[in-house]
Amino acid sequence: NAGVTQTPKFQVLKTGQSMTLQCAQDMNHNSMYWYRQDPGMGLRLIYYSASEGTTDKGEVPNGYNVSRLNKREFSLRLESAAPSQTSVYFCASSVTQGGTEAFFGQGTRLTVV
Amino acid sequence: KNEVEQSPQNLTAQEGEFITINCSYSVGISALHWLQQHPGGGIVSLFMLSSGKKKHGRLIATINIQEKHSSLHITASHPRDSAVYICAVTYNNDMRFGAGTRLTVKP
Repeated sequence: NAGVTQTPKFQVLKTGQSMTLQCAQDMNHNSMYWYRQDPGMGLRLIYYSASEGTTDKGEVPNGYNVSRLNKREFSLRLESAAPSQTSVYFCASSVTQGGTEAFFGQGTRLTVV
Repeated sequence: KNEVEQSPQNLTAQEGEFITINCSYSVGISALHWLQQHPGGGIVSLFMLSSGKKKHGRLIATINIQEKHSSLHITASHPRDSAVYICAVTYNNDMRFGAGTRLTVKP
């Protein structure tokens, strides 16, 4: 049982380049999330999708876009990468939004030079 | 100000010691989560609780709703327990995370 699968695991981008982080879950969860993790700080919510067909901004959405492609897949796009977006990104899913156990992917370590 | 504060930030223990990690929060919550992040980065959920106490193997999590405080205890610690432990709370359908406690258990 794969759980939450994120790709890629590592990526180096030049400033101004674009990329898409992919996330898929096989647990039939309704809600999916993208977080970033920076040293000394807790995970911060970038965007979330409470259910298929909906997406909403989280705490730090600037510079990112998302697509809930179907119930399984939730992608995060950086249109023009900046050094401030150097971080570790985590995708997560849960049965419903809030109050239920969250399952996390393995993370993507992104460096923008 | 972060809604979730953890202490200590770093903790070093000898194998076999009893370990306590603390979490305080400042908002009304529907649930509190303890997560474990190993070197290599993956995050796994250890506990989700809204009252009382839960136990899984050598790990025990407690919560005091009135005092807005939770503790994670590890009994008979082992080097494989070395990881970052993260406290998170759910409120208003949102999840907020503490900065984590880095635990190192030496043999």
